[in-house]
Amino acid sequence: KQEVTQIPAALSVPEGENLVLNCSFTDSAIYNLQWFRQDPGKGLTSLLLIQSSQREQTSGRLNASLDKSSGRSTLYIAASQPGDSATYLCAVRSDSWGKLQFGAGTQVVVTP
Amino acid sequence: EPEVTQTPSHQVTQMGQEVILRCVPISNHLYFYWYRQILGQKVEFLVSFYNNEISEKSEIFDDQFSVERPDGSNFTLKIRSTKLEDSAMYFCASSEAPAGRGTGNTEAFFGQGTRLTVV
Repeated sequence: KQEVTQIPAALSVPEGENLVLNCSFTDSAIYNLQWFRQDPGKGLTSLLLIQSSQREQTSGRLNASLDKSSGRSTLYIAASQPGDSATYLCAVRSDSWGKLQFGAGTQVVVTP
Repeated sequence: EPEVTQTPSHQVTQMGQEVILRCVPISNHLYFYWYRQILGQKVEFLVSFYNNEISEKSEIFDDQFSVERPDGSNFTLKIRSTKLEDSAMYFCASSEAPAGRGTGNTEAFFGQGTRLTVV
């Protein structure tokens, strides 16, 4: 059974620092992995999707890496801003019908 | 930019009542999903739907739940007799393709959610 874990559960950094968010999964047989942002009481905003054949995916200040064999993905957010404060979720897709299995998220606070 | 739309944003219902949560997926998407998030817990998969059929469902999705695509644009989740433990945020999602089937973008797009409160 696939288990997805995100460490740390919470993170506070001063503005301008780079953020490093970790995601691990127990079964390496995945199709892809998706990172989301969730603001309090709101929906999930897709940030990046990284295919199992990729090592890295970039969008603006965001960069996601994937090491499928070791069951790890890392989301890097460069030069953090207070607007980056949110909960970041990773989810893996191990199933051909597209079901996502989520981690519990990392709550990020960027202080001015 | 296309988006998934959910209504209502918040629904309060009495225990035992039926509720219908509504979603309008992105128009060219073929695969539809419902997830839920109980306060303070992980987002959990409920059901996936393709070609007017359930393709997969979780253990949570018991006989009290049903899904339907009543027309070409809406996708609904019905809970027949709500329980206190059904209180959660319910998210609808859609994608062009699921993962290992066919071609197309597998990225899932989520709606803003419906907060269901059962009292």
